[in-house]
Order: sequence, then C-alpha cells, then structure tokens
Amino acid sequence: EAGVTQFPSHSVIEKGQTVTLRCDPISGHDNLYWYRRVMGKEIKFLLHFVKESKQDESGMPNNRFLAERTGGTYSTLKVQPAELEDSGVYFCASSQEQAGELFFGEGSRLTVL
Amino acid sequence: AQSVTQPDIHITVSEGASLELRCNYSYGATPYLFWYVQSPGQGLQLLLKYFSGDTLVQGIKGFEAEFKRSQSSFNLRKPSVHWSDAAEYFCAVGPSETSYKLIFGSGTRLLVRP
Repeated sequence: EAGVTQFPSHSVIEKGQTVTLRCDPISGHDNLYWYRRVMGKEIKFLLHFVKESKQDESGMPNNRFLAERTGGTYSTLKVQPAELEDSGVYFCASSQEQAGELFFGEGSRLTVL
Repeated sequence: AQSVTQPDIHITVSEGASLELRCNYSYGATPYLFWYVQSPGQGLQLLLKYFSGDTLVQGIKGFEAEFKRSQSSFNLRKPSVHWSDAAEYFCAVGPSETSYKLIFGSGTRLLVRP
C-alpha cells in the first residue's frame, strides 16, 4: 500500500512567485492535514480536511496560502505570492479516522529566494 | 499558552548506550502525548502515544516513554541505541484523542557514534 506522497520534494522559487504543493493521502483516508516546519523550529499545524471540507484552518498564516481538496482525494497548497518567511518544510498527513494514527509524507521543502 | 519544549537540540550517544530524550509540555488540561521520529529521507513516523491509563507507554523499535504529570514531562527512552536510531525526534501534544491538531516541540536530533 502506498504511503502519503508529496510533490515536489524540493522547490526553489523567487520571492513573489507562486508555488503549488501537492499531497496524495493514503487511499481511503478521509482526514488530511497540512503542517509546516519553518527554519528548524517546531512543526506547526496549518489545516485539516475531512474529505473535501475544511474542518479547521486556524493555522493558515495568511491569505497568501490557499488549500484545496477537490473530490476529497489529493490536496494542493498554493502560496501566492511567496515571501522569504514561507521557506520551510511542508508536511502532509492523513488518517482514516480522526482518532486514527496519522501517517506523514516526507515533506516538501520550499526555499524562497 | 500551550507549548512543548524539547531542551536538547542535539544529542550524541554511542551505539549500545542508553538514551533519554526530554520533553516538557505546558497544557491546561490532561494532554494527549505523542513521540514521532523522522529518519533521513522519510516522513514522520509515530513511535508511541499516551492517552490515558498506564503512565509507562511502550512503542515501536524498542522505545518507551513515561508520563509524569507532576513534572509535566513525557521523556522518551531506549535501553540500547542502534545506529539506525539516528534521526530527529519530535514530541507533540494534542487536545484530544480525536483531534490531530498537534503542537510539536522543536525536535531533538540524535547522532549515534559507532
């Protein structure tokens, strides 16, 4: 069974450009989470989908970040326009139930120059 | 404010030696506690979790952790470290067993000397 996959593994962009990160959860997992680790600091919650609905987006830093999960399958996280402080590793995780174990992807490293 | 502190950024131990990684939390209610590990090139993997009951929790790969409410701690231990344990370890707390809006510590990187 495939795990949580994230693409790209690393993206380098200029300040002001747009980047879209993609997450494919484990098949059948209704719950999908995005987390972010900035500059070697703690990993912080961004948002939580249940199927295609945003259950909790309280961790989204500002309106330059847009997350979608059309059809309740894969999810995208778009940063537009990117700023220097957006650099970090973006983790996606999924679980079958809200009380179930979280399975994390390897993360997408974003570098904004 | 809710927070998790991992006071050690790096720890180096010799292979075969015992290991203890520290984790302290600040949380208003009884927390749900987790330890995750990230090995190079891999995603975060759950080592163990504490929701309630026995305060000594056994996890995968020979790890265990002990919840001490009086010290607000949830330290991770392993009696004999293997070279493959070299990784970054994260402690996390959550508001309930049904919500994975986790608060993570900043991580401890473990180096293992041969």
